[in-house]
Amino acid sequence: KNEVEQSPQNLTAQEGEFITINCSYSVGISALHWLQQHPGGGIVSLFMLSSGKKKHGRLIATINIQEKHSSLHITASHPRDSAVYICAVRGSNYQLIWGAGTKLIIKP
Amino acid sequence: DTEVTQTPKHLVMGMTNKKSLKCEQHMGHRAMYWYKQKAKKPPELMFVYSYEKLSINESVPSRFSPECPNSSLLNLHLHALQPEDSALYLCASRHIGQTLYGYTFGSGTRLTVV
Repeated sequence: KNEVEQSPQNLTAQEGEFITINCSYSVGISALHWLQQHPGGGIVSLFMLSSGKKKHGRLIATINIQEKHSSLHITASHPRDSAVYICAVRGSNYQLIWGAGTKLIIKP
Repeated sequence: DTEVTQTPKHLVMGMTNKKSLKCEQHMGHRAMYWYKQKAKKPPELMFVYSYEKLSINESVPSRFSPECPNSSLLNLHLHALQPEDSALYLCASRHIGQTLYGYTFGSGTRLTVV
């Protein structure tokens, strides 16, 4: 079992839909990161969380430390949101443990 | 300046060539990282520099040679690579000790070994 599990692996939705991507982890962490990667491109850091909830524009990230679970939500999704979304956790040694990513496609 | 800049964006090299990848940041980050990413896989950590000193080498073959000449610059020297080394090479940086801040990634160098 991977230390960081994401679901779903693939997600296709229509423009405007509310999107949820989930991340569960099994190790102790100091922080959890949500990152975005467009095809063939670099990685953009969306959020770093250690507790609670953060919001940036149409993106919302939540974390439940007790349940070792985090979610990334996208409201009013748009085709430009199509990308791979990656959950990564930072352990006590500051190194990242990566999830496998969720490939999101938003159709117009 | 809040970016990590990687050059070149694309590189094609033969197995006998020597080339270098460059990564630069001016955010005062003292931890810098090299990652290798194969298609449809998460990035794999290669090297970590802390205060310009190599702190982690994840058993990377010696044909990859990192260098950190100053606090803003990180190089990855490549020599005698194999076709299976073709991948996206990502650089990242981070403030050391600043738990409030995350990582900043570059846009990567797409390397093809022929």
